[in-house]
Amino acid sequence: AQSVTQLDSHVSVSEGTPVLLRCNYSSSYSPSLFWYVQHPNKGLQLLLKYTSAATLVKGINGFEAEFKKSETSFHLTKPSAHMSDAAEYFCVVRLWSGNTPLVFGKGTRLSVIA
Amino acid sequence: DTGVSQDPRHKITKRGQNVTFRCDPISEHNRLYWYRQTLGQGPEFLTYFQNEAQLEKSRLLSDRFSAERPKGSFSTLEIQRTEQGDSAMYLCASSLDLGHEQFFGPGTRLTVL
Repeated sequence: AQSVTQLDSHVSVSEGTPVLLRCNYSSSYSPSLFWYVQHPNKGLQLLLKYTSAATLVKGINGFEAEFKKSETSFHLTKPSAHMSDAAEYFCVVRLWSGNTPLVFGKGTRLSVIA
Repeated sequence: DTGVSQDPRHKITKRGQNVTFRCDPISEHNRLYWYRQTLGQGPEFLTYFQNEAQLEKSRLLSDRFSAERPKGSFSTLEIQRTEQGDSAMYLCASSLDLGHEQFFGPGTRLTVL
């Protein structure tokens, strides 16, 4: 069975400093991996996805993630945090076939300090 | 806005009552998903539809839960004889087809007193 572990439940950064949200996955097969963001009172929004093409994936709002098979990791990064980045972030895995449901991590709450 | 919509946004009910939630997916999307999200957790899959056919149900979906998508458009999720443990955010998502991005609605927050 596939699963994801988000290593930090809460990350706090200063505005303008880099963001690193860590995620490790477990999957017996080639996974599809995603990062979603959830702002208060808004729906989940897809930031980026990895589907076995390039290992470095660029997403919206300046976020990117790198798929490292040897480390079973898919960490989310951003060079410079904005106040508007404060939200809950979910790492998500799905078997490559697409015919299985998404499996979400428990989430990492990102706080951005002015 | 042509995104996924859910109604109501909030529902407070007493234990033992029945509740029904509605989800309207993006119009051309033939896949519709229901998830449940409890406090401090990520969303957990409940069930999904391909058009009007319910193709998969999670073990989380007890026999008190039933979902329908009668015409392959909107869907309803009913919970009978609600329990306090049913308190959660119920999320709906839709996708164009297999393997496509899932777009999420804002959710219905259920509180069972």
